[in-house]
Amino acid sequence: SQTIHQWPATLVQPVGSPLSLECTVEGTSNPNLYWYRQAAGRGLQLLFYSVGIGQISSEVPQNLSASRPQDRQFILSSKKLLLSDSGFYLCAWSPPGTRAGNTIYFGEGSWLTVV
Amino acid sequence: DAKTTQPPSMDCAEGRAANLPCNHSTISGNEYVYWYRQIHSQGPQYIIHGLKNNETNEMASLIITEDRKSSTLILPHATLRDTAVYYCIVRVSQGGSEKLVFGKGTKLTVNP
Repeated sequence: SQTIHQWPATLVQPVGSPLSLECTVEGTSNPNLYWYRQAAGRGLQLLFYSVGIGQISSEVPQNLSASRPQDRQFILSSKKLLLSDSGFYLCAWSPPGTRAGNTIYFGEGSWLTVV
Repeated sequence: DAKTTQPPSMDCAEGRAANLPCNHSTISGNEYVYWYRQIHSQGPQYIIHGLKNNETNEMASLIITEDRKSSTLILPHATLRDTAVYYCIVRVSQGGSEKLVFGKGTKLTVNP
């Protein structure tokens, strides 16, 4: 069966510091990968998605970036965090291909507090 | 992606059926209706999805109207652990991938 792992689960970072959140998926090949963010009291916002190694699409302009160095690894980064980057970050995956009926599955999330 | 409209909150008695409505009047023919739920501080959990026909699984039933402009998620026997925010999403493949656009969902509270 497929599993998704995301870490760290919780982190507190000062303004201006770098960020690295990592996500890995097991049990599947060439998955579509996603990063979402949920700010306090708000819905989920898609940040990035990837259909393959080195292929990243950005949904919103911001000081975050994503990379996919390996087939089942997705990394969310920032060089300098802002207070507004605080939130709940979720990695997700779906089976390869572009069928609208493919389900997207979420990890357990990472709580980021920028202070 | 088509937008969805859900009531912000609902209450349900434990053991009774919870019926969560969703309007998606601008849905296109190839867009699926997905339901997820999110318990506080956890990642969204997939519940069910459908295109045209009603669907049922071990968690819930999904009733889609014939014109596909609205749907209802039914939890047949709600328990306290079903208290969560429920998201109705319509989704289509585009640009080489599928994307989910979440709204604010319905906060379902199951009362003892």
